[in-house]
Amino acid sequence: DIQMTQSPSSVSASVGDTITITCRASQGISGWLAWYQQRPGKAPKLLISGASNLQSGVPSRFSGRGSATDYTLTISSLQPEDFATYFCQHTNSFPPWTFGPGTKVEIK
Amino acid sequence: EVQLVESGGALVQPGRSLRLSCAASGFNFDDYAMHWVRQAPGKGLEWVSGINWNSGGLALADSVKGRFTISRDNSKNSLYLQMDSLRPEDTGIYYCARDRFGDYVGYFENWGQGTLVAVSS
Repeated sequence: DIQMTQSPSSVSASVGDTITITCRASQGISGWLAWYQQRPGKAPKLLISGASNLQSGVPSRFSGRGSATDYTLTISSLQPEDFATYFCQHTNSFPPWTFGPGTKVEIK
Repeated sequence: EVQLVESGGALVQPGRSLRLSCAASGFNFDDYAMHWVRQAPGKGLEWVSGINWNSGGLALADSVKGRFTISRDNSKNSLYLQMDSLRPEDTGIYYCARDRFGDYVGYFENWGQGTLVAVSS
C-alpha cells in the first residue's frame, strides 16, 4: 500500500501570510493526488484534485503542485476561514486510498 | 444540490453489529461510485470501503476485511455499511462520500455530515 506523509504537522500563521504544506508518497503516484480541508466539527471538503486542479468554488489563493512522490499545497494570503486541518490523499483506480496524517493550520 | 445523509450510528458493545445507511439526493445516484471514510476521535481520515455504480466493484480496507460489507440500492438512492464483529478501534465518525465517476478513482467530491459509531463495553 502507498503511505502518505505530511509536513509540518502543524503551522502557526497570521491572516495574510502565505504557507506551504508538503505531502510525500512512499512511491510515485503520477499526480494522482487530492487535498482536503477540514474545519473543526465539519466534514472534509475536496479542494484540489490531480495535484493542481482546483475544485469549482475554491478560492484561487489555494494552489497545488508536484509530481512523482512530492507535492505541495500553498495558501496565499491566509484568510480567517482557512484555519483548518489539511489532508493529502493519493487517488487512482486501485484501492486502498490512503490519507496523510494532516496539517493543522492555526492562528498565530 | 448534492446531499448525503448518514444514519445508524450508535454505542455498541464489542463483538456486536451495526448497519449504517446513507441517503443520497440531488444527483443521479446510480451514476457514481460511493465510499465510506471514517475518522477516529481526534485522528486523521481512513478510507474504509468503496463500491462502484453497479456494485460490480467492491473494495475494503484491510482493517475491516471479513467484518464489514458495503452495499447499495440504486432504486432507493442509498448506500449501506454492514459492520459485524465490531472492535473498540472501529470507534469514530463514519462519513459517506461520493466519488467523481461511476467506477471509483478515489476522489471524494461530496461528503455527508457523518454518523458516530462508538464501540465500548
